[in-house]
Amino acid sequence: DQQVKQNSPSLSVQEGRISILNCDYTNSMFDYFLWYKKYPAEGPTFLISISSIKDKNEDGRFTVFLNKSAKHLSLHIVPSQPGDSAVYFCAASGSSGGSYIPTFGRGTSLIVHP
Amino acid sequence: EAQVTQNPRYLITVTGKKLTVTCSQNMNHEYMSWYRQDPGLGLRQIYYSMNVEVTDKGDVPEGYKVSRKEKRNFPLILESPSPNQTSLYFCASSLSRGWGRNYGYTFGSGTRLTVV
Repeated sequence: DQQVKQNSPSLSVQEGRISILNCDYTNSMFDYFLWYKKYPAEGPTFLISISSIKDKNEDGRFTVFLNKSAKHLSLHIVPSQPGDSAVYFCAASGSSGGSYIPTFGRGTSLIVHP
Repeated sequence: EAQVTQNPRYLITVTGKKLTVTCSQNMNHEYMSWYRQDPGLGLRQIYYSMNVEVTDKGDVPEGYKVSRKEKRNFPLILESPSPNQTSLYFCASSLSRGWGRNYGYTFGSGTRLTVV
């Protein structure tokens, strides 16, 4: 059973508009959430994270929002640029027997059209 | 440059022929992990290691072995590869037991394995 779900396999957005990527989780023990970005032929790279004690974290054009009651987080990219076209993975971690190994979602492929 | 290096980048092999994918990191990270990425399935953890000589199974360990004899190296071994192990493999490392909760993993560039 998936503990971290990214229900949209793909998303298409026009350059300059907002991209919103969504992620849901089921495990109440998760208390830290991360987004990774992956280009073809490269490994994933860390993008932004948020702790469960916050509901928002911003880094330039990227903002992650966390709604703990709904077990939902989202990544907003404003404004979207063609270079943002990539696969985005949501990941969640929490203490489980002292281990914080993250669980990844299946990814959302974002295409930003010029 | 701080990095995780995997070799080879691409590999085509035949069923049953033992192979090893190497992974090396130059950041003195204690924690290392192997993932496979498959279409529609995302990143699934195969094995991980929290220190030298300490390894443990991830979510999909069947058909794989690992070893951690030195801190910097974490090879992935397929003793008898099968076609269902055709996948994109990533090695990752992290400084702390938090597995990069503040700054994320560092991933290698990936190894595309095809087993025919």
